[in-house]
This record gives sequence, structure tokens and C-alpha cells, in this order.
Amino acid sequence: SQKIEQNSEALNIQEGKTATLTCNYTNYSPAYLQWYRQDPGRGPVFLLLIRENEKEKRKERLKVTFDTTLKQSLFHITASQPADSATYLCALRGDGNNNDMRFGAGTRLTVKP
Amino acid sequence: NAGVMQNPRHLVRRRGQEARLRCSPMKGHSHVYWYRQLPEEGLKFMVYLQKENIIDESGMPKERFSAEFPKEGPSILRIQQVVRGDSAAYFCASSSTDSDSGNTIYFGEGSWLTVV
Repeated sequence: SQKIEQNSEALNIQEGKTATLTCNYTNYSPAYLQWYRQDPGRGPVFLLLIRENEKEKRKERLKVTFDTTLKQSLFHITASQPADSATYLCALRGDGNNNDMRFGAGTRLTVKP
Repeated sequence: NAGVMQNPRHLVRRRGQEARLRCSPMKGHSHVYWYRQLPEEGLKFMVYLQKENIIDESGMPKERFSAEFPKEGPSILRIQQVVRGDSAAYFCASSSTDSDSGNTIYFGEGSWLTVV
């Protein structure tokens, strides 16, 4: 069966450090992989999309890598801040535009001042 | 604000009543998704719809739950004869049909259903 696994339920780091979150998937051949942020009581917010032919993508302090051989994506937040504290979700969509979007369970990141 | 609009934001129903949750997608979007999120759990896919069509309902419970996205008006998620286990946040998301940008979905702020 298809699975999307995010490596840890919770991650606590000190302000200024780099947070690294992992997303592994099985039985998918995704054309895209996406990362979303969700704050308590709010809907998820799109952060980054990376295509299967892209190894790395950056946006400000965020960096995403996508290894289709390992079936893994890494999500990095550099120079982390307490405001980065949230749950981060990875999401996969298969080939074509008619496939639905499925999400991992999320990793709850806490950045301590 | 042209974002995904969900209403009501909070809904309280007694066991056995019906709950109707509405979702208006972003302007120009014709694909709608519904997800359920239980406290401290991840987003669970329920159903994916286009206008007047259900594309994938593999995540919908077999009984009491239904969804529609009519030609005119919002998408509706309907839960009949609610039970306490239906208490959750229900999120709607939408995307466009554009092959390049349609792979990003945009969420509403959710509808919180409490069954008492």
C-alpha cells in the first residue's frame, strides 16, 4: 500500500540552529512533492513544491531536497526562529492531474529561544 | 479575500442530527478536496471532486457521509446521523485545472464539528 512517513512526530531545536525534517514514501511515483505548514487551529499553508527532476529547491531560509531513488525528501529551515514553530506536512500527488493529494502525519517543530 | 472559504467555522450537533459543511473554492479553481483531521492526528483524505463529478471518494466512510460539488454554488460535505466519533476538523482545499499550477492545493481555515 502507499505510505507517506514523516520521521518524527516532534522535533525540538534551539533558536538559530537548522531544523531538518524527513519525508519518506513507498509505492508512489510522484511527479511532485510538496511541503505545507500548519499552525494550531488553522488550515495548512503551502510552502514549497519540488518536481521529480529537481534535486533541490530554496525559498528564503527554507530548502527542500528530493531524492527519487531513496524515495525521500528532506526539508531544512536554517537560522530557525521561534516563529517557525508549527507542524510541517509533506504531501504527494501522483502522475497526472487527476490524482488526489495525500499527506504525511506531520512533524511538530518547536524552536526554543 | 479570494481564498478558500469554509462555513461554518464551528458547528455543534447532537448525536443523530445532520451536519452540512460548505466550501467555496478559490476563484478560478474547479477541483475541491475534503480532508478530516482528528485532534493530534494528520490530515486524512476523504474525497476529491470536480464540478458535478466525484473523482475519488476512496477516503469517505461508506455510510452517512456524502459530498457534492454542483455546477453552481459551493461544495457540500454532508454527514447524516452524526456520532461522537465524527467530531473533528474538516478541511476543504481547492486547485486549478492548469497543468503547471494545479498541483498545489490551497486550504480553507476548516470547519470544526463537535458532536454532543
